[in-house]
Order: sequence, then structure tokens, then C-alpha cells
Amino acid sequence: GNSVTQMEGPVTLSEEAFLTINCTYTATGYPSLFWYVQYPGEGLQLLLKATKADDKGSNKGFEATYRKETTSFHLEKGSVQVSDSAVYFCALSVNQAGTALIFGKGTTLSVSS
Amino acid sequence: DGGITQSPKYLFRKEGQNVTLSCEQNLNHDAMYWYRQDPGQGLRLIYYSQIVNDFQKGDIAEGYSVSREKKESFPLTVTSAQKNPTAFYLCASAQGTNTEAFFGQGTRLTVV
Repeated sequence: GNSVTQMEGPVTLSEEAFLTINCTYTATGYPSLFWYVQYPGEGLQLLLKATKADDKGSNKGFEATYRKETTSFHLEKGSVQVSDSAVYFCALSVNQAGTALIFGKGTTLSVSS
Repeated sequence: DGGITQSPKYLFRKEGQNVTLSCEQNLNHDAMYWYRQDPGQGLRLIYYSQIVNDFQKGDIAEGYSVSREKKESFPLTVTSAQKNPTAFYLCASAQGTNTEAFFGQGTRLTVV
């Protein structure tokens, strides 16, 4: 079946540190991959996406590259800010009727000044 | 502004009562979804609908019911059969499969 596994949190960093949140997936066919962010008490917002192998999604300094050979979509940012503190979800969707987005369990990021 | 609106933001329910959560979208999306979020468990799919007048059970449908009478609306009823309904509920919509979903702001349901 289709599934997403992302690293357990929480991740605690100092401001300006480098961030990596690992995400690997299992899927039939060729999924699209997404990173969502959730701030406290809010819904999820799309952070970035990639729809085919070797695509790089990027937004607000965050990047992730779709690696088919390692079935991975790791999220990175070169210099985190306090405002990046949130929960990050990796997700996938497949082009198959009757399916929904599948999410990882989320990784909590806490950035201190 | 296009988007998804969930209401209410906070909801309190007495044990044994049914309660309905509203979800409306003006994005003209065909697909709509309900997820439940509990601490440490990520998002779990309750129900989804790919088209008006049709919907399918997700992974944790027991104790919940939905309807899809209009394209823009996908209300979720939490029935008294749901043993542990206290959670954060998220509604989402998407244009189709293999595309990103857009989320509402969520409804926090508490059983008192």
C-alpha cells in the first residue's frame, strides 16, 4: 500500500541553524509529493510540492527534491528562524480514482533565538 | 477570496449527542475530505467525496457520517457512536487525485 514515513520529533534548533526533516515514501506508480506546515491552532498550508522524479520544490527558503531512487523527499532549509516553529507534514498523492492524500505523522520544529 | 471555511472553530458536545461540523468551499473543487488529528498521530482520513452525491469511507469512518448534496458543501456529523470524539477536525478540498489539497482552519471538538 501507499505510505509516508517521516522522522520523529521534536526537532529543536537555534536560529540560523540548518534544518533537515527526513521523509520517505512507499507508493504504487508515480506519486506527487508535498510538504505542508501547520501553525498552532490552524489548518495545514501547502509549503511546497514536486510532481515527478528529480523535481525540486521550493518556497520561503525551504527546499525538497523528489528522489525516486531512494523514495525520499527530505525537507531542508539553510537558516531557520523563530517564525518557522511549526509542525511539518510530508504527504503523497497518487493518480488513482478513489484515493486521498496520505500523510506522515508530522514533525514538530521548535526554533529558539 | 477563494478558500475553505469550517465552522464553528470550537465546539462542545455532551456525551450522547450528535453534532455536525460545517465545511464549505468556493474553489469549485470536485473532491472534499475530512481528517481527524490527534496529538502524535498525524492526520487520519474519516471520509472523502470525489463527486456530488457520492462518498467513501476512510480509515476511521466508524461513528461518523457525511453527505455531499452540493459541490461546495461536505458536512460531517459526529454521532453518539463515536467513542472518543474529542479531537481537531480538518476539512480539505482538491481539484482531483494527484493534486494538492487545500485545508480549512479546523474545528476543535470537545466532549464535556
